[in-house]
Amino acid sequence: GAVVSQHPSRVICKSGTSVKIECRSLDFQATTMFWYRQFPKKSLMLMATSNEGSKATYEQGVEKDKFLINHASLTLSTLTVTSAHPEDSSFYICSASDRDRGTYEQYFGPGTRLTVT
Amino acid sequence: TQLLEQSPQFLSIQEGENLTVYCNSSSVFSSLQWYRQEPGEGPVLLVTVVTGGEVKKLKRLTFQFGDARKDSSLHITAAQPGDTGLYLCAGVLNTGKLIFGQGTTLQVKP
Repeated sequence: GAVVSQHPSRVICKSGTSVKIECRSLDFQATTMFWYRQFPKKSLMLMATSNEGSKATYEQGVEKDKFLINHASLTLSTLTVTSAHPEDSSFYICSASDRDRGTYEQYFGPGTRLTVT
Repeated sequence: TQLLEQSPQFLSIQEGENLTVYCNSSSVFSSLQWYRQEPGEGPVLLVTVVTGGEVKKLKRLTFQFGDARKDSSLHITAAQPGDTGLYLCAGVLNTGKLIFGQGTTLQVKP
């Protein structure tokens, strides 16, 4: 149990376009989802936390108008990178947790490699 | 700001050698987790340590949580090429947020 999927796994887009990344919890209800960004051989940097049905809470320095997060259902959260630029190229990872389980454990997705040309 | 200092950041050793990775913080965490990540994949949870002084073993991996719950170590005995990967420690806050260390890239040469 506790499987999280991400789609797409890889995406290449042109500078100036927007791209949407989906994060789904397949076998549990995710009351909270987290979005991380990771540079090569570096650690995960938390971008934002989203609770189902409410606005996402962004970490300091993360532009909320550039990285739009929607958590409309208990099994789906989306991250939209708007007007993407080459510096947005990165590995984006989501995780999901279910507080009803009585634990804060986060279950990570397999990540999405975004390349902006 | 709560930080978790992880060291070393890079480690290249021969098969059969032992190694230890450290995570240190000035903050207290409710628990601490260790993850392993392969290139192009999400991190996979190895262990969660909760109690100060706790020691957990996972085959050749030994995890320890400091008495004050501010630091942790990961010790690998007789490393194998299959242990190669990125190891991440993460402190768990009482909000559920994770604070990740910088990561340790381990390369085990056959």
